[in-house]
Amino acid sequence: GESVGLHLPTLSVQEGDNSIINCAYSNSASDYFIWYKQESGKGPQFIIDIRSNMDKRQGQRVTVLLNKTVKHLSLQIAATQPGDSAVYFCAERENKFYFGSGTKLNVKP
Amino acid sequence: DTGVSQDPRHKITKRGQNVTFRCDPISEHNRLYWYRQTLGQGPEFLTYFQNEAQLEKSRLLSDRFSAERPKGSFSTLEIQRTEQGDSAMYLCASSLKQNTGELFFGEGSRLTVL
Repeated sequence: GESVGLHLPTLSVQEGDNSIINCAYSNSASDYFIWYKQESGKGPQFIIDIRSNMDKRQGQRVTVLLNKTVKHLSLQIAATQPGDSAVYFCAERENKFYFGSGTKLNVKP
Repeated sequence: DTGVSQDPRHKITKRGQNVTFRCDPISEHNRLYWYRQTLGQGPEFLTYFQNEAQLEKSRLLSDRFSAERPKGSFSTLEIQRTEQGDSAMYLCASSLKQNTGELFFGEGSRLTVL
């Protein structure tokens, strides 16, 4: 459950564009996945979650996609705003949560 | 404040000293987790409790690390004989066992070992 990783360490997008952050996981037994946002000096903050029996879940401006075949998770942020600038982590759960190393999202005004 | 609170927020200590961090979870949450986070990395799982029972501690980094949750409410994480490599952010999180599983994190306790 520890091999939760991200494809890109840093992502820069223009304000108003859509952002896509990707994550690979390795544990087929993980039943639940969460995306967290962490701003500098703060604890991680929940964004959206998805259970393993789903492949898509939408929130406000955010969508999570789960592809269990290739063990891939993505977070899509629509109309990215400067306030979205942060580090984003995916986490998988098999009893406890394991986190990836994070992607830093920079939103350019 | 009904969130997870951690104390102290910052701790600077000399190598070899012992340090203790406290976490007060959200009051109705029966699960409590400790994570460590170093710069540029995601939170690394250390240990967790359900009520007062410590369900896993194999991830504690060494025998210098110990955690308690004596009454099933607040928890403490102690590091004995600190080393410079212990410098990190120590995060506490809590959750309800049967809810969606979302972890609610505190703001962390940053440790600097000189």
